[in-house]
Amino acid sequence: QSVLTQPPSVSAAPGQKVTISCSGSSSNIGNSFVSWYQHLPGTAPKLLIYENNKRPSGIPDRFSGSKSGTSATLGITGLQTGDEADYYCGAWDSSLSGVFGTGTKVTVL
Amino acid sequence: ELQLVQSGAEVKKPGESLKISCKGSGYRFTTSWIAWVRQMPGTGLEWMGVIYPSDSDTRYSPSIQGQVTMSVDKSSSTAFLQWSSLKASDTAIYYCATHGPYSRSWGYWGQGTLVTVSS
Repeated sequence: QSVLTQPPSVSAAPGQKVTISCSGSSSNIGNSFVSWYQHLPGTAPKLLIYENNKRPSGIPDRFSGSKSGTSATLGITGLQTGDEADYYCGAWDSSLSGVFGTGTKVTVL
Repeated sequence: ELQLVQSGAEVKKPGESLKISCKGSGYRFTTSWIAWVRQMPGTGLEWMGVIYPSDSDTRYSPSIQGQVTMSVDKSSSTAFLQWSSLKASDTAIYYCATHGPYSRSWGYWGQGTLVTVSS
């Protein structure tokens, strides 16, 4: 049972921007770095953002992350059809266990 | 190049045992945490736990504790996820992951192992 809450879905037209929220608590996001993952069905998840706002090599700057208090946000600008996927936030909680968000499906209209 | 290669799909009956694997290469296996993540049909990613190969320090998710066993074989740079008695509810895709240079996150993933438990 995930303790990080995300909206089930977001959508926008190609070229537009979407933001995905991830809401937690002081026992997880509030005291942990947040990471974000893109997951296409049948493939391995891909790390998009680590340590709240850093991009791994090869991830375009269309993807951005931020954190404030017990919430985090992933932004995707210049939306492309290839961005259609499920997106998950991740963090650690106070019991030293990892946790993922509930997941958000991004649809490009 | 850092790679995690998982064992192939499995079809098992309830009550049977199973051990799936995740072989790491291209990095220092013993000093990198390995995580296991599952995706049950129609649901999202679920954290199962982590293991530190150097000393087999293991942290299980409270919801998973007691249901599976994580282990490693340092000599072959391989991590394992094991069940002693499978249930239909164990049907899922299981992923292993490691962090690489991306601290506190999972930058490298195996391709996933589909486990189907059905009578």
